[in-house]
Amino acid sequence: EADIYQTPRYLVIGTGKKITLECSQTMGHDKMYWYQQDPGMELHLIHYSYGVNSTEKGDLSSESTVSRIRTEHFPLTLESARPSHTSQYLCASSPAGQGTEAFFGQGTRLTVV
Amino acid sequence: GESVGLHLPTLSVQEGDNSIINCAYSNSASDYFIWYKQESGKGPQFIIDIRSNMDKRQGQRVTVLLNKTVKHLSLQIAATQPGDSAVYFCAENTPLHGQNFVFGPGTRLSVLP
Repeated sequence: EADIYQTPRYLVIGTGKKITLECSQTMGHDKMYWYQQDPGMELHLIHYSYGVNSTEKGDLSSESTVSRIRTEHFPLTLESARPSHTSQYLCASSPAGQGTEAFFGQGTRLTVV
Repeated sequence: GESVGLHLPTLSVQEGDNSIINCAYSNSASDYFIWYKQESGKGPQFIIDIRSNMDKRQGQRVTVLLNKTVKHLSLQIAATQPGDSAVYFCAENTPLHGQNFVFGPGTRLSVLP
């Protein structure tokens, strides 16, 4: 069982609200990731981090931002939510280096109305 | 949310039969590959991995085959069970993407009674 947690699991929020999706891992992993996944679709990398104070944009453009102040914590923020942000957001972590699996959280399903 | 990519192909198999799920990966420099299983409402779970210096690896009821010549990965599930019903993703780890995981489009496996 992977020790990576996302909260909330489900969120319905109005347009224009600021939201933060939480992700925490207790495995001491250096690398962390955020993926976006629409229902029935593939995963797309939107942000990743190599470690504390490191944040990088992924392959898919996103209006969200991330921060990495502590190793175990990698929150994702949307300053002003829009219906187009409705999706599932998956957080993952892995040890640094090549050839190691990424462990995923259960995801946050976001609906913006 | 922004929808990029194709809807998932579906594979239907009879319970007890063997399943073969295929994946074409994109980067010849990829050196590590993982198959993930994603059940409805959950994050992806690791099934089996393989490094680029191997062409076959076996686990419990699962086998992964790697053909680097044609950049093809397959997952074989023996004696498929109802609990195997899920979406299966292959992921490649490549130095050209910051050593991040790039996911394939996924295949939905339905096990018929």
